[in-house]
Amino acid sequence: AQSVTQLGSHVSVSEGALVLLRCNYSSSVPPYLFWYVQYPNQGLQLLLKYTTGATLVKGINGFEAEFKKSETSFHLTKPSAHMSDAAEYFCAVSEGINTGTASKLTFGTGTRLQVTL
Amino acid sequence: DVKVTQSSRYLVKRTGEKVFLECVQDMDHENMFWYRQDPGLGLRLIYFSYDVKMKEKGDIPEGYSVSREKKERFSLILESASTNQTSMYLCASSWDSFNQPQHFGDGTRLSIL
Repeated sequence: AQSVTQLGSHVSVSEGALVLLRCNYSSSVPPYLFWYVQYPNQGLQLLLKYTTGATLVKGINGFEAEFKKSETSFHLTKPSAHMSDAAEYFCAVSEGINTGTASKLTFGTGTRLQVTL
Repeated sequence: DVKVTQSSRYLVKRTGEKVFLECVQDMDHENMFWYRQDPGLGLRLIYFSYDVKMKEKGDIPEGYSVSREKKERFSLILESASTNQTSMYLCASSWDSFNQPQHFGDGTRLSIL
């Protein structure tokens, strides 16, 4: 069964600093990996996804993530944090192996990013 | 853009009531999902549906049921609401494909008194 571990339930960075949110996964099938962001009182919004091909994936709002199979990781980064990046971030892995469950996801428990002046 | 609409943003009900949460998507997606979100626990899947009238239990189906009579609509039912069902409920939909993301509604914050 697939699983996702997000290290650090809370991360605090200064505005302009590097953002690094960690995600490790386990999967018995080739993984499809996703990062979502959730702003207060809203649903989840897709930031980026890895399916096949290039292992460095660029997403919205300047975020990117690198798939490293040897490390079973899919860490999310942004070179320079902005106040508007304060939100909760979820990593997810696709666990579907059959038609009907192909898009079923396993989510991590989330990392809350705080950005300070 | 995909639109997933949940009927209520905030809902307050009493213990023992039968509660209906409605979700509608406008993209003809095959798959629809109901999650609950609690602090420190992330998203937990309650039920999902891969076709009209088809459903499968997720990780925490106890105390819940679902209905999907039309492709665009997926309802979550709390048969007899209890205080431990106070939570944020999120609906999502997607194509039935490995590389397709789920699209989420804005959530319903449900309080059971």
